[in-house]
Amino acid sequence: QITLKESGPTLVKPTQTLTLTCTFSGFSLSTSGVGVGWIRQPPGKALEWLAILYWNDDKGYSPSLKSRLAITKDTSKNQVVLTMTNMDPVDIGTYYCAHRWQWHYDHWGQGTLVTVSS
Amino acid sequence: QTVVTQEPSFSVSPGGTVTLTCGLSSGSVSTSYYPSWYHQTPGQAPRTLMYNTKTRSSGVPDRFSGSILDNKAALTITGAQADDESDYYCMLFMGSGIWVFGGGTKLTVL
Repeated sequence: QITLKESGPTLVKPTQTLTLTCTFSGFSLSTSGVGVGWIRQPPGKALEWLAILYWNDDKGYSPSLKSRLAITKDTSKNQVVLTMTNMDPVDIGTYYCAHRWQWHYDHWGQGTLVTVSS
Repeated sequence: QTVVTQEPSFSVSPGGTVTLTCGLSSGSVSTSYYPSWYHQTPGQAPRTLMYNTKTRSSGVPDRFSGSILDNKAALTITGAQADDESDYYCMLFMGSGIWVFGGGTKLTVL
């Protein structure tokens, strides 16, 4: 059974760096074709794809946020970490991590709500 | 930057058929974009309905179908039910490891 769970701060200050961790089980990020992605959703708004890390360590980033994002993994801990620099109130929302397989995201975490405020 | 377009809202009668579409602000959607569809109810994480254009996710009833229609990805719901009322999002693979969601369609069943 595949599960993913996001963790990290619920509140960050403007200009700070956000670090979110996705802890997963039921699959290996070493398996060919597997990826873990991050998606966010501002309150009442649409989903926005942010980044992905593949089994072969290839990475993809949203072009509009690429300069602020970094995605890494700790295979031994079954974790994928997303960092987003220079946080702003427009970055408020629920952040999800998801398992990517066969050209879609088939398992999602429950999401974690991040607020940006001084 | 190319935008993925969806109808902001749609309404369907119970038992009726509705087709939601997913297009590009510039260009046509093809199977090479590996369209996938997700639905989301308030307070819940998204769940996959369809991927690789027309492959139903496990447990999704066959009244949901996917296709390419008039240069757009399409999700057709046949025999709409009350619990189909949800937000529907498409996602396209743009190449170079980049994925993009559409703006979502709010489907009302009434």
